[in-house]
Amino acid sequence: RKEVEQDPGPFNVPEGATVAFNCTYSNSASQSFFWYRQDCRKEPKLLMSVYSSGNEDGRFTAQLNRASQYISLLIRDSKLSDSATYLCVVNRESNSGYALNFGKGTSLLVTP
Amino acid sequence: NAGVMQNPRHLVRRRGQEARLRCSPMKGHSHVYWYRQLPEEGLKFMVYLQKENIIDESGMPKERFSAEFPKEGPSILRIQQVVRGDSAAYFCASSPSLGGQETQYFGPGTRLLVL
Repeated sequence: RKEVEQDPGPFNVPEGATVAFNCTYSNSASQSFFWYRQDCRKEPKLLMSVYSSGNEDGRFTAQLNRASQYISLLIRDSKLSDSATYLCVVNRESNSGYALNFGKGTSLLVTP
Repeated sequence: NAGVMQNPRHLVRRRGQEARLRCSPMKGHSHVYWYRQLPEEGLKFMVYLQKENIIDESGMPKERFSAEFPKEGPSILRIQQVVRGDSAAYFCASSPSLGGQETQYFGPGTRLLVL
């Protein structure tokens, strides 16, 4: 089983739509969870951290279910500029720092 | 404050040559991570370094790959005798020398093409 699994998509949605991405992780001891965004041929950029109580940042809402080892990202009122690949990220099991395990990403295309 | 810098941005090598990738962390950051992204794949952790120390190299291939982060100068990822399978984007990330959870900031990456 892969450490972090995501539906690769692509998700094609019209502007203004709501879209949800899901992710599962295999290591029950993981402590840190993130969503990153990666534009084509660019570096990953942190979108938001994910907390146990769930958290919201503008149009973006992240949820964490530790019992199911499941993470989600909800994007409301999609914009054209939201088109990108969204990476689910979990810290690696390690006693040496905060190296990260990345999912392969879910591709989103928002169309006019 | 300049972000994480990597050079070169693009590197072409023939099979059997050496590739040297450089990463300058953000000012004040002393933790460096290297990741590799193969075509159509997610980023994979390779190595975690602090100044003059390799902390975790569990993600790095045992042969041909090495990394360093000297007291002065950038972190270097070195690939000897490159093969076509080494073609990938190599990203460096840095984080500050603080305890607890630290956000990693990524550089623009070096795209290595092995002919």
